[in-house]
Amino acid sequence: DAKTTQPTSMDCAEGRAANLPCNHSTISGNEYVYWYRQIHSQGPQYIIHGLKNNETNEMASLIITEDRKSSTLILPHATLRDTAVYYCIVRVATGFQKLVFGTGTRLLVSP
Amino acid sequence: NAGVTQTPKFQVLKTGQSMTLQCAQDMNHEYMSWYRQDPGMGLRLIHYSVGAGITDQGEVPNGYNVSRSTTEDFPLRLLSAAPSQTSVYFCASRLTTDHGYTFGSGTRLTVV
Repeated sequence: DAKTTQPTSMDCAEGRAANLPCNHSTISGNEYVYWYRQIHSQGPQYIIHGLKNNETNEMASLIITEDRKSSTLILPHATLRDTAVYYCIVRVATGFQKLVFGTGTRLLVSP
Repeated sequence: NAGVTQTPKFQVLKTGQSMTLQCAQDMNHEYMSWYRQDPGMGLRLIHYSVGAGITDQGEVPNGYNVSRSTTEDFPLRLLSAAPSQTSVYFCASRLTTDHGYTFGSGTRLTVV
């Protein structure tokens, strides 16, 4: 599984866009980029995933660079409830996926 | 509501006691798994299942048993509780392809 690198922490003002970067320079051709988050004391929450095209859902957008070596998760209008630790994971889509969360990015959304 | 339901939410056990953590999902997900999360640490996989009747060990299986008699249920049994098993336990499920995991809200277990 490809290793990922994320900043330890980020701050964002409420209502602004939060852009969370992730580097995955050793990603393989069949590996997807998944994003999860964990709000304090809650279970992890799946956000979005993608292979090479940009993806958008009701929670966020995922921008993957053309060489697929990095990606950015975008929360378009961050709220206080988006304060959480965000994890970027690279995995193949099929089969059982063992989730290994690294240190992630601690996003603090402030008023 | 569709999702992963874990019970109980909190439990205190004495050393040597046994108990079963329940996990149920109503999304017809084939894959189910149990993780534990200790303070300040990431998830560690205990056991997982890729379908009814099929289970396998994760990275920290000792002291735990699982079974998968139905698609919906995946209980985790602590055979003889030890203080080292004090943790938060999460159950997660997923379809086989192209989906992320859905997690339960967790069971906070304290062994004294």
